[in-house]
Amino acid sequence: DTGVSQDPRHKITKRGQNVTFRCDPISEHNRLYWYRQTLGQGPEFLTYFQNEAQLEKSRLLSDRFSAERPKGSFSTLEIQRTEQGDSAMYLCASSSSGATGNTIYFGEGSWLTVV
Amino acid sequence: AQSVSQHNHHVILSEAASLELGCNYSYGGTVNLFWYVQYPGQHLQLLLKYFSGDPLVKGIKGFEAEFIKSKFSFNLRKPSVQWSDTAEYFCAVMDTGRRALTFGSGTRLQVQP
Repeated sequence: DTGVSQDPRHKITKRGQNVTFRCDPISEHNRLYWYRQTLGQGPEFLTYFQNEAQLEKSRLLSDRFSAERPKGSFSTLEIQRTEQGDSAMYLCASSSSGATGNTIYFGEGSWLTVV
Repeated sequence: AQSVSQHNHHVILSEAASLELGCNYSYGGTVNLFWYVQYPGQHLQLLLKYFSGDPLVKGIKGFEAEFIKSKFSFNLRKPSVQWSDTAEYFCAVMDTGRRALTFGSGTRLQVQP
C-alpha cells in the first residue's frame, strides 16, 4: 500500500502519560499535515510541514503538543501529560508541491483514548 | 478566518432518491473546494475537487458538485443514491495561499434499502 500510513492505529493511555504517533506520508509528497477529529465533528487543522520545516501551527496545538519531521520524510506527533480532552482521532495527511499540490490525501488515523 | 458550514447534519434517504448536501464557506479570496467521504471504519477519501474552470465538477461514484461563487456555495449532488453511499460527507475549503484545509462539521448520510 502506498498511501499515508499511521502508527499506532489505536492507543489507550492513562491521564498524565505521554504518547507519540508516527506518520509516513506518500513517498513523493513533501507536505505533511496533522489534523484532529472528534466524534461528530470535521477534522481540525493542527500543524503543517513543508519538507522538514514546520510552517504553521494552530492555536489548538498547546505547549503539550509537539510535532517533528526531522528529515522531511516521516513525522511524529507527541502529546505530553495527556488529558481526557485529548481523546480524539489524530489524522495525518500529505500532498505534493507539484501541479496536484492542492489535493491532500489522508491516512487512516490514530485513535487516542485517555482514561 | 475561513469557515465552512454544512447545514444538514444527518440525512436519511431511501435508495434511488436524489441527494443534495449543502456547503457554504466564508472567505473572499481564491479558494479550492473539496468534498471528502468517510465510509464506516475507513479513512477520509477524496470524492471530488474544484480548482478552477467549469463550476460543475464530477467526482467518483456518480457524485457531482456545483461551485456558485456569488453564493459562496459548493453543494454536492447525486441523482440516485445507493445503500453503499451510507457514509459521512465533509466539505472542505483551502485558500490557495495557505495550503491547509478547513473542514465543515460533516453530514451523516444514511441510505435505507
